[in-house]
Amino acid sequence: KAGVTQTPRYLIKTRGQQVTLSCSPISGHRSVSWYQQTPGQGLQFLFEYFSETQRNKGNFPGRFSGRQFSNSRSEMNVSTLELGDSALYLCASSSDPGTGNTEAFFGQGTRLTVV
Amino acid sequence: GEDVEQSLFLSVREGDSSVINCTYTDSSSTYLYWYKQEPGAGLQLLTYIFSNMDMKQDQRLTVLLNKKDKHLSLRIADTQTGDSAIYFCAEKRSGGSYIPTFGRGTSLIVHP
Repeated sequence: KAGVTQTPRYLIKTRGQQVTLSCSPISGHRSVSWYQQTPGQGLQFLFEYFSETQRNKGNFPGRFSGRQFSNSRSEMNVSTLELGDSALYLCASSSDPGTGNTEAFFGQGTRLTVV
Repeated sequence: GEDVEQSLFLSVREGDSSVINCTYTDSSSTYLYWYKQEPGAGLQLLTYIFSNMDMKQDQRLTVLLNKKDKHLSLRIADTQTGDSAIYFCAEKRSGGSYIPTFGRGTSLIVHP
């Protein structure tokens, strides 16, 4: 079974641009969560999608958005990039975290650098 | 304060035991997890414990839970250089969003 795939692995953008990151979950998993990881703030939850609907949202500005497609693949978009958006963005998939203890499987992440 | 707290660094000698500690604030936490992140990789679930358990052992890993003090620890016996990584503690609460809340991670450095 293929794991969680995130593309691209590395990205360099300039301030003010926008970026789209992609996540393909494990086959059969319907929940996809996104996290931002920085040295200063640790792992912060962005949002979770389940069956094409945003089910949970973290405390990030509206510049951060996402969506999920009918095949459960998910994208996140950051508009008007700021230097502070430089981070490792991690995606996790699970069958359904709402039904007790279901393991979240993480991708390798996309390293975004804003210059 | 933060919901899940961990010390940032731990350095041990190869062959010794490592103990990574974590405290959490929500008494309704149902599952508590330990994840490992190696350089350049995502997080990998190492082990978890349900809140009605005190201890769980899995080969070199021992998880201890003190629910009264809201304290969780991960003990790695016979620590090897390959154990060098960042270890994240996470809690999942009953009700609510059921999305795990992560600590900032503890960097474990194993030196020969």
